[in-house]
Amino acid sequence: AQSVTQLDSQVPVFEEAPVELRCNYSSSVSVYLFWYVQYPNQGLQLLLKYLSGSTLVKGINGFEAEFNKSQTSFHLRKPSVHISDTAEYFCAVYNAGNMLTFGGGTRLMVKP
Amino acid sequence: NAGVTQTPKFRVLKTGQSMTLLCAQDMNHEYMYWYRQDPGMGLRLIHYSVGEGTTAKGEVPDGYNVSRLKKQNFLLGLESAAPSQTSVYFCASRWLPGELFFGEGSRLTVL
Repeated sequence: AQSVTQLDSQVPVFEEAPVELRCNYSSSVSVYLFWYVQYPNQGLQLLLKYLSGSTLVKGINGFEAEFNKSQTSFHLRKPSVHISDTAEYFCAVYNAGNMLTFGGGTRLMVKP
Repeated sequence: NAGVTQTPKFRVLKTGQSMTLLCAQDMNHEYMYWYRQDPGMGLRLIHYSVGEGTTAKGEVPDGYNVSRLKKQNFLLGLESAAPSQTSVYFCASRWLPGELFFGEGSRLTVL
């Protein structure tokens, strides 16, 4: 069985500051890794994905994430956040079982 | 370009009542999913389908039934609603592994 842990339920940060949202996963097999974003009262949207190859992946809106196999982590980063980045972010892991397993989510609150 | 459409968006039920949530996608995707979202628990998979006429259980299937009679539609049913089923329900579909397209959600309250 696979699981995803997002270590911070809420992350407050000031506008233009850098941010890192942490994600750790457990799986006995190779996985694909994803970050999704959910704006208020909306469904989730794909932010970025890691399938294979380079461990640093870039997504939309200036976000990037780094896959670390030895630490089983897939942390999300942005060098300078905007008010519009205020949302909930979900890390997810997919394996060959056709199911995408989500973490509990991290609420990013960007303050002016 | 509608994508994934869920109806209804809001519903209030009394304990023991039944209802059906409808999900429709216009992207010709084979795979469809029903998740529930509860605070602090992320999204948990209820049921999913890998194609027309197929369904499979996810992580939390108890109390729910599904049907996929047409490729574009995936129905989620509650036969006898319970307060524990108060949640926001999301339907999603996909073509590529892990890359889901979500609807806007259906908020269900069971009194």
